[in-house]
Amino acid sequence: DGGITQSPKYLFRKEGQNVTLSCEQNLNHDAMYWYRQDPGQGLRLIYYSQIVNDFQKGDIAEGYSVSREKKESFPLTVTSAQKNPTAFYLCASSPLDGTAYTEAFFGQGTRLTVV
Amino acid sequence: EDQVTQSPEALRLQEGESSSLNCSYTVSGLRGLFWYRQDPGKGPEFLFTLYSAGEEKEKERLKATLTKKESFLHITAPKPEDSATYLCAVQANFGNEKLTFGTGTRLTIIP
Repeated sequence: DGGITQSPKYLFRKEGQNVTLSCEQNLNHDAMYWYRQDPGQGLRLIYYSQIVNDFQKGDIAEGYSVSREKKESFPLTVTSAQKNPTAFYLCASSPLDGTAYTEAFFGQGTRLTVV
Repeated sequence: EDQVTQSPEALRLQEGESSSLNCSYTVSGLRGLFWYRQDPGKGPEFLFTLYSAGEEKEKERLKATLTKKESFLHITAPKPEDSATYLCAVQANFGNEKLTFGTGTRLTIIP
């Protein structure tokens, strides 16, 4: 089955630690995204990538880093510089329709908690 | 700056009681408006894409419509399994292809 796989589902981080969230897709989509979801707020874009070895900052990139070494994979690292990392993290991908990227398809999310 | 406002924040309906959810938006040239359904603890599930004013899309008990300023998600004779948070997002013609999301409407259908 085609889809987007995020792992782990739950992640606990100690203060000062870096953690990496995994996102893999087998939909052959060019574009991949990371969003953060907090209660009472809309999804906010952290980083996105449209081609391998290239990515751009979204609205809230500070304290996060990404890589795109393969088309299928777009891992997100939450660094110790991120002051409030506890949130629900969502990875998404979208196909290229002509010259535009269309609807995004989401993974099942990773809930990160700082302990 | 692109903005999306959804109303109401929460809606409780009896099973079979039809209603509509609203998504008002401001965007510098609309490329597409998207509706998603999200269950607790899960990722959003894509429902519809609307591209131009007057367009309508249907899926089972759901129908999405679009004007130049807002979109409605009409729910006809809902069932308890329709309970979820419904998210609206817009994509602008210009910029970085990102989606700007509203905060969602939490819909509860009471048996």
